[in-house]
Amino acid sequence: AQTVTQSQPEMSVQEAETVTLSCTYDTSENNYYLFWYKQPPSRQMILVIRQEAYKQQNATENRFSVNFQKAAKSFSLKISDSQLGDTAMYFCAFMKYGGSQGNLIFGKGTKLSVKP
Amino acid sequence: DTEVTQTPKHLVMGMTNKKSLKCEQHMGHRAMYWYKQKAKKPPELMFVYSYEKLSINESVPSRFSPECPNSSLLNLHLHALQPEDSALYLCASSQADSRGNTIYFGEGSWLTVV
Repeated sequence: AQTVTQSQPEMSVQEAETVTLSCTYDTSENNYYLFWYKQPPSRQMILVIRQEAYKQQNATENRFSVNFQKAAKSFSLKISDSQLGDTAMYFCAFMKYGGSQGNLIFGKGTKLSVKP
Repeated sequence: DTEVTQTPKHLVMGMTNKKSLKCEQHMGHRAMYWYKQKAKKPPELMFVYSYEKLSINESVPSRFSPECPNSSLLNLHLHALQPEDSALYLCASSQADSRGNTIYFGEGSWLTVV
């Protein structure tokens, strides 16, 4: 069975600074996907970034980037130039390769507060 | 703007009521999902429809009844709910084949059972 662990229940960062959210996972699969989802107070679950395990290159999306360490089973999210709108709960999630079937395994989440 | 639309955004219902949550997606996806999210918890999968057929039911009580009328629509019929069923209900969709590696969520329906 797969598990996803987010060890930081809450974090805060000053506006315009950089913050890194941690995520580790456990799996015996070789092919899989990893995701970071953001859930602001409005409660919509928004995809932030996706990483395919077979790709060595770390995914980036504008101010968001990941540090994917497959051997260490680590998948951290770096947010650069933090903005007030980044305040949200961030969930790390795992999915096996080969069709989704809703099989997203979520971590417990990290609540990020961006302070002015 | 989300391409997975859920209605209503908020619903309050009594334990004897019958109500429905509705979801529509405009991305041509053939897999649709219902998740339940309690406060301060991650979402939990309830049901999966693949090509309009129910493929996964995560042992959800029968007071929740899903329906997929066509490839774009997904309903969740609610009957005789309990107060502990109060939660955010998230609809989601994805491709149904090996490309289905990203799940897109709607804004959710807040359900309060009184």
